[in-house]
Amino acid sequence: GESVGLHLPTLSVQEGDNSIINCAYSNSASDYFIWYKQESGKGPQFIIDIRSNMDKRQGQRVTVLLNKTVKHLSLQIAATQPGDSAVYFCAETGGFKTIFGAGTRLFVKA
Amino acid sequence: GAVVSQHPSRVICKSGTSVKIECRSLDFQATTMFWYRQFPKQSLMLMATSNEGSKATYEQGVEKDKFLINHASLTLSTLTVTSAHPEDSSFYICSARGGSGGRQTQYFGPGTRLLVL
Repeated sequence: GESVGLHLPTLSVQEGDNSIINCAYSNSASDYFIWYKQESGKGPQFIIDIRSNMDKRQGQRVTVLLNKTVKHLSLQIAATQPGDSAVYFCAETGGFKTIFGAGTRLFVKA
Repeated sequence: GAVVSQHPSRVICKSGTSVKIECRSLDFQATTMFWYRQFPKQSLMLMATSNEGSKATYEQGVEKDKFLINHASLTLSTLTVTSAHPEDSSFYICSARGGSGGRQTQYFGPGTRLLVL
């Protein structure tokens, strides 16, 4: 599982391929999950969210999958582009606070 | 989407001085604002939650006397790092949540890079 504070794991993909970024969350009471994208020197940017009563949600080029049984969340990016290079964080909300996961750095090779 | 601003975007100060960072929600009223700190190559760590007109709630391990938070209005929260030291150098990010309908999405500011010499 993920722990806040660890150095970021890295995923390297070829431009045009699909990317899958995974996240394990810790609080079984969390009922709302969000994926954020953070570019260097900037604040997090909302990508897509999902509530605990769903197991899949699709956006434009992105899909979030939620497996509550194993407390696992994934972000799928279709046809990855160079502009997708960034750090991606999952975040969970179980009540009032939003807690961030460790994050994954995505490199897109041209 | 909703816009959250932070000022300053970057600040360099001498050890022992105090630094104030402002967080504003520009197009909505934020009943709750959050302050995060992010060290290089690490995740965002929640420092405190502030509600307009009441005292902030600090996370475990965060010194409330060192990191003073004021949420004086529905559009402004400030974080003051008192007697800053080099180990306080970090990227400070605020976020705001508000509006109606139970929407829980937090909108984040662009962050403030603090360097303490």
